[in-house]
Amino acid sequence: EVQLVESGGGLVQPGGSLRLSCTASGFTFSSYEMNWVRQAPRKGLEWLSYISSSGSTIYHANSVKGRFTVSRDNAKNSLYLQMNSLRAEDTALYYCVRDGWYSRYFDYWGQGILVTVSS
Amino acid sequence: QSALTQPASVSGSPGQSITISCTGTSRDVGAYNYVSWYQQHPGKAPKLMIFDVSSRPSGLLNRFSGSKSGNTASLTISGLQAEDEADYYCSSYTNTSTLYVFGTGTKVTVL
Repeated sequence: EVQLVESGGGLVQPGGSLRLSCTASGFTFSSYEMNWVRQAPRKGLEWLSYISSSGSTIYHANSVKGRFTVSRDNAKNSLYLQMNSLRAEDTALYYCVRDGWYSRYFDYWGQGILVTVSS
Repeated sequence: QSALTQPASVSGSPGQSITISCTGTSRDVGAYNYVSWYQQHPGKAPKLMIFDVSSRPSGLLNRFSGSKSGNTASLTISGLQAEDEADYYCSSYTNTSTLYVFGTGTKVTVL
């Protein structure tokens, strides 16, 4: 069974940093591209970041470019999101999401981890 | 890259069919057959319902179907049931540095 479990969320002050982790199981993690997607309270979904299976190709949404960095450790079956210079508008539920096999969609989602940016 | 446009709400009676539209541009929906649809119940993670415009994940009921014409994609739910009441989001791959874009979301209400 495919499982994606996020961790590392919590309350952080504006301007602060946080590192989210996602531990994958039930599939060959190193073979799949991965993403981060977030959802602000009572709002829609927003794609944030993509990383290729090897980690060599990365894309970020304009809203987080220069502040957030996605990375992965295939030996540890783990995906990460380093978030710096956090703002109130970054408050959201952050999902770790697997890319579909040889296509472009999101087939498995974690349960999400809440990040709250507030003083 | 702006969000894809969906109606805020769609409603129908049990047994009826409803259709949700998803309008983008020639840089996303119109550029590729990489439109997908997600169902989200309150407090739950989104669930994949349709991928590659009209393909269904294995095990998913055939009451859900997808299509696309030009820059607009559609999700049709046939034989509407109470458990179909949820938020639905479309998504598309894009040919910009914003790799993916989501729709604004549609709340489906079963009357």
